[in-house]
Amino acid sequence: GEDVEQSLFLSVREGDSSVINCTYTDSSSTYLYWYKQEPGAGLQLLTYIFSNMDMKQDQRLTVLLNKKDKHLSLRIADTQTGDSAIYFCAGMDTGRRALTFGSGTRLQVQP
Amino acid sequence: ETGVTQTPRHLVMGMTNKKSLKCEQHLGHNAMYWYKQSAKKPLELMFVYNFKEQTENNSVPSRFSPECPNSSHLFLHLHTLQPEDSALYLCASSQDWTVFTDTQYFGPGTRLTVL
Repeated sequence: GEDVEQSLFLSVREGDSSVINCTYTDSSSTYLYWYKQEPGAGLQLLTYIFSNMDMKQDQRLTVLLNKKDKHLSLRIADTQTGDSAIYFCAGMDTGRRALTFGSGTRLQVQP
Repeated sequence: ETGVTQTPRHLVMGMTNKKSLKCEQHLGHNAMYWYKQSAKKPLELMFVYNFKEQTENNSVPSRFSPECPNSSHLFLHLHTLQPEDSALYLCASSQDWTVFTDTQYFGPGTRLTVL
């Protein structure tokens, strides 16, 4: 099955860029996702990337995928205090067709 | 608002109680999911229903019993739970579980505390 790992915590200053990293084990993962969870809320889908892509940009969000190293990153440009949340990386286990989530990275944005 | 609602948002129950969690989706989706989010573990998939048929049971103890009466509603019936079952229970829905491009949308969750 899939294993997904993330660093637990990241602190940045408002206006800086944030980069949240994720590694996964299943090289056959077809889709990789980033979700955001704010306190007391469910998971909000931010973006996803197909395994045949290297990069995807969506407004302030840039996703980079390095298939060789099985490394995924989410860059948030001009980070705002409203971006403070937990960010989850998830991979689609193509065998079970189920999402496997990382433990989440808590992003703290300081004013 | 993701179009997926869950009730109640918070639930405290004793180990001998029976309670149910409810999930409703207004997205016209055909697949619904239950996930468990514990403090010390990654999100764990519990059950999947696709077109009202249970397609996945991720080795969940029988004290958790899902029910999917139609594509818009999903329940999780709870009985004789243990304190370690305390967690955030998240419901999600998607168009069709069998499609690889399928994207899941999550509800806000029910925070369950078992005393």
